[in-house]
Amino acid sequence: DVKVTQSSRYLVKRTGEKVFLECVQDMDHENMFWYRQDPGLGLRLIYFSYDVKMKEKGDIPEGYSVSREKKERFSLILESASTNQTSMYLCASSLSGRSGQYFGPGTRLTVT
Amino acid sequence: GQQVMQIPQYQHVQEGEDFTTYCNSSTTLSNIQWYKQRPGGHPVFLIQLVKSGEVKKQKRLTFQFGEAKKNSSLHITATQTTDVGTYFCAGPSGTYKYIFGTGTRLKVLA
Repeated sequence: DVKVTQSSRYLVKRTGEKVFLECVQDMDHENMFWYRQDPGLGLRLIYFSYDVKMKEKGDIPEGYSVSREKKERFSLILESASTNQTSMYLCASSLSGRSGQYFGPGTRLTVT
Repeated sequence: GQQVMQIPQYQHVQEGEDFTTYCNSSTTLSNIQWYKQRPGGHPVFLIQLVKSGEVKKQKRLTFQFGEAKKNSSLHITATQTTDVGTYFCAGPSGTYKYIFGTGTRLKVLA
């Protein structure tokens, strides 16, 4: 079974802090994704990566950056956390561009 | 831009009743995926449909892809409390991205 793990289930940070969210997948998947999920807004894509060191902006990239130095690891960085970035962050991976995505358990981030 | 809409937004059913959620895209899709998210959980990939008019079954769940490949449905026969959750459809946008529908939250009353 595909396993996608995220570094924290719950995280509380202060406004202005730099925040790192880590995601690791163990199935040699090519593609990795970062989403945020908010009530009433569904799943929104922040960034994705289709290969090591490759990244592309999703629908809401402002205020975020990403890093993929190794195939199995995809990091989401909040350069200067703000209260409107309080959300559930979900990482996912997929074998190819047309296969199902496997999600991690999520990180619930609160920025105070 | 491309949109994927789902209806209804919420559905409450008595245990044993059937349930259907509908997914509609503003553009023709090469495929469509369905996911389930249990309360407090993360989305879990259920299935992918590729062919026009395709119907696939997973036990009590029946998935259908429309002839025009712009809509899809998920039907659950005789719901159980284990079916509770939010069901999302997702359609491709470009080579790697998928656009997720807004989801249908199902509540099953015992």
